[in-house]
Amino acid sequence: GIQVEQSPPDLILQEGANSTLRCNFSDSVNNLQWFHQNPWGQLINLFYIPSGTKQNGRLSATTVATERYSLLYISSSQTTDSGVYFCGLEGNFGNEKLTFGTGTRLTIIP
Amino acid sequence: GAVVSQHPSWVICKSGTSVKIECRSLDFQATTMFWYRQFPKQSLMLMATSNEGSKATYEQGVEKDKFLINHASLTLSTLTVTSAHPEDSSFYICSARVSVGLRKTQYFGPGTRLLVL
Repeated sequence: GIQVEQSPPDLILQEGANSTLRCNFSDSVNNLQWFHQNPWGQLINLFYIPSGTKQNGRLSATTVATERYSLLYISSSQTTDSGVYFCGLEGNFGNEKLTFGTGTRLTIIP
Repeated sequence: GAVVSQHPSWVICKSGTSVKIECRSLDFQATTMFWYRQFPKQSLMLMATSNEGSKATYEQGVEKDKFLINHASLTLSTLTVTSAHPEDSSFYICSARVSVGLRKTQYFGPGTRLLVL
């Protein structure tokens, strides 16, 4: 099956800083989503982005499908951005199930 | 947006009892739902895919007789942990898929924390 790697595994930043989270994958994809798991465990959809670039407020994401990576950008971090960020994706020859990376744990310090 | 609820959010039970967790899509119909398990500081592990009106498809290594899944309607899937033991303690999360053309998006419930004593 498709392999997914996320980096960095942990990131500690001061409030107001910017960050870039990376998701590498081993095969072409037809579904890629970014999620934020808050400290209570709820996964929140951030982006559906199998290709291209999208922006939503302070967050943006870019997927370069031909090079098999996706980036999540967070600007002007706030303490509420803390949590774990996961990418989940389905390969082109997949079975319609999302495979998740190991996540990036982001901690924003006031 | 699509909202998925789970009930209960917390459950503590004695070893040997069975626990049922409900997953509901509140504002949409979901022919396909998924059940995940997550251990502390780890990623989500898919347990099974639940399809409305048919048997669930379990991932390798997941005991189907231990984790009973029923998807009786387009808005409800249930996971029953039978004869629970302490090693079944975990965070269980369901998701529902919304398909619009080729776009398939998963939305997650808030999760259920199970503690088996």
